[in-house]
Amino acid sequence: DAGVTQSPTHLIKTRGQQVTLRCSPKSGHDTVSWYQQALGQGPQFIFQYYEEEERQRGNFPDRFSGHQFPNYSSELNVNALLLGDSALYLCASSGTTGGDEQYFGPGTRLTVT
Amino acid sequence: QQQVKQSPQSLIVQKGGISIINCAYENTAFDYFPWYQQFPGKGPALLIAIRPDVSEKKEGRFTISFNKSAKQFSLHIMDSQPGDSATYFCAASKRGSIVKLTFGKGTLLTVNP
Repeated sequence: DAGVTQSPTHLIKTRGQQVTLRCSPKSGHDTVSWYQQALGQGPQFIFQYYEEEERQRGNFPDRFSGHQFPNYSSELNVNALLLGDSALYLCASSGTTGGDEQYFGPGTRLTVT
Repeated sequence: QQQVKQSPQSLIVQKGGISIINCAYENTAFDYFPWYQQFPGKGPALLIAIRPDVSEKKEGRFTISFNKSAKQFSLHIMDSQPGDSATYFCAASKRGSIVKLTFGKGTLLTVNP
């Protein structure tokens, strides 16, 4: 049973560029949440997708957007990258029938230079 | 406003000892409290979780103690092993259809052999 997968593993971008990160949820899960983890900090909630809709959003600017596909996979897009966007981006999946448990992927390490 | 405060920031324990990590929360609407373990370069892995209808939950060497009146919960790792060396995060969420985890800042645990 495959867990949560994310791609790419690492990414280096320049300020002002745009980036797309991808996530496939754990088998049987239909809800995807994205988190940003700065170095030495706990993950911070960006937003959550269910039934291809954004259900809730954390305190992140509109430069951060997302999408969920009919197969429940998801993308995180960040426009106009800033140096401060450098972080580990984590995807977590959960199921509507599985209670509150969220399972995280390995993350994508984004470096903005 | 930091809604989940975690301490200590770092902890060194001898093999076979007990590791104790504490968390305090402010939002009384929180009713789901998971602990995650994160190794370098990996995503957080769900370790154990508790809901406020019980004061303690044990799974193997890991125990969560919960004090609702004090708005505090803690993770105890019995018989700590070098393989337990990792960063531990407490988190909290309101239960419901949208689980948005609020994380503490993490505790770096080192277990010396």
